[in-house]
Amino acid sequence: DVKVTQSSRYLVKRTGEKVFLECVQDMDHENMFWYRQDPGLGLRLIYFSYDVKMKEKGDIPEGYSVSREKKERFSLILESASTNQTSMYLCASSEGTSHEQFFGPGTRLTVL
Amino acid sequence: QKEVEQNSGPLSVPEGAIASLNCTYSDRGSQSFFWYRQYSGKSPELIMFIYSNGDKEDGRFTAQLNKASQYVSLLIRDSQPSDSATYLCAVNMGERGSTLGRLYFGRGTQLTVWP
Repeated sequence: DVKVTQSSRYLVKRTGEKVFLECVQDMDHENMFWYRQDPGLGLRLIYFSYDVKMKEKGDIPEGYSVSREKKERFSLILESASTNQTSMYLCASSEGTSHEQFFGPGTRLTVL
Repeated sequence: QKEVEQNSGPLSVPEGAIASLNCTYSDRGSQSFFWYRQYSGKSPELIMFIYSNGDKEDGRFTAQLNKASQYVSLLIRDSQPSDSATYLCAVNMGERGSTLGRLYFGRGTQLTVWP
């Protein structure tokens, strides 16, 4: 069964902290994605990766970085958290030539 | 600018009726189209996808494509209260032959099915 897991369901951090969000998939998928979802704005792509150590900027990469050292793991890093990064963060993965994305359960991040 | 547009709703239908959800997309060369369902507080789950070569029916769900109008629809027959959710339309608008797998999502249409 397809599975994408995220390290935390809920996270509360303070302004200026460095925040790590982890995503792991067990499907041997090549592609992995990080989105944030906010009311009225829908899903917005932050970064994606199509191979180990490869990354591509999405539509809103500012304030974020990513790391993909192993195929199954894709990390999102908030270098210095700010209140406007309070959001639901969703990770997804897909097979190399397929566009069918599978989502993790999401991490609700609150930055105080 | 690559865009996927959906009517945000809310769309409200009685139980047993047909719910019709629509989206338009900007890239004429798009090849694959996806419908995700998202319950409140949950992550999106894929319910159907179609390619540019035809429509698809799966149980109570039918996805249809109108390439000339750049319009894709999802019909839900015999709607049930459990269908109440936000429906996200997603389109692959990558470069032709791209394997990057990026999808462009609409903002979603909220559907309520009342008993």
